[in-house]
Amino acid sequence: AQSVTQLGSHVSVSEGALVLLRCNYSSSVPPYLFWYVQYPNQGLQLLLKYTSAATLVKGINGFEAEFKKSETSFHLTKPSAHMSDAAEYFCAVSGVNFGNEKLTFGTGTRLTIIP
Amino acid sequence: EADIYQTPRYLVIGTGKKITLECSQTMGHDKMYWYQQDPGMELHLIHYSYGVNSTEKGDLSSESTVSRIRTEHFPLTLESARPSHTSQYLCATRDRESTGELFFGEGSRLTVL
Repeated sequence: AQSVTQLGSHVSVSEGALVLLRCNYSSSVPPYLFWYVQYPNQGLQLLLKYTSAATLVKGINGFEAEFKKSETSFHLTKPSAHMSDAAEYFCAVSGVNFGNEKLTFGTGTRLTIIP
Repeated sequence: EADIYQTPRYLVIGTGKKITLECSQTMGHDKMYWYQQDPGMELHLIHYSYGVNSTEKGDLSSESTVSRIRTEHFPLTLESARPSHTSQYLCATRDRESTGELFFGEGSRLTVL
């Protein structure tokens, strides 16, 4: 069984400030972890993924995330927020078990950028 | 340029109508999925398919049905729509060699009056 918890359904940051979106996971097998972004009236787009290689993963648009097994966390960060980062962000987990490949998504965090 | 096409993007219909949400992909992926998304809620998997003539129900019970007659096409049908079916429906695909990454269409937002 696997699940993800995203702390904070809404996060607001000032333009130029650090973005930190939190994700904790639970998985009975080694996980693959993902962050997706959804802009208004759009589908989900992959930002980055962790697949058991480097624990610090870099993604598109200047985002990165660090896999911390001891904390069961996969928080998403960006050093300097831009207005275009305003969107909804979803963390997701998939078990590394080829008989069970479904992704389980968190409830999402809506990021607002304050000018 | 989209590789996963969903139509219609927006649909408003009355109760009792039959509707079909279309999903087509040009990526050649075997695996296709339908997710239901409500505001403030996680995405719920309602149907998936691992190839032609393969369909399975997902984690969330749904009154909708799906078919997979061609690799590139995975339509979702509601025989008699109700207001409780109002939601956004997202189609996704995955490569058989993938480490889990899903590719999503832009979604179909359904409103049943």
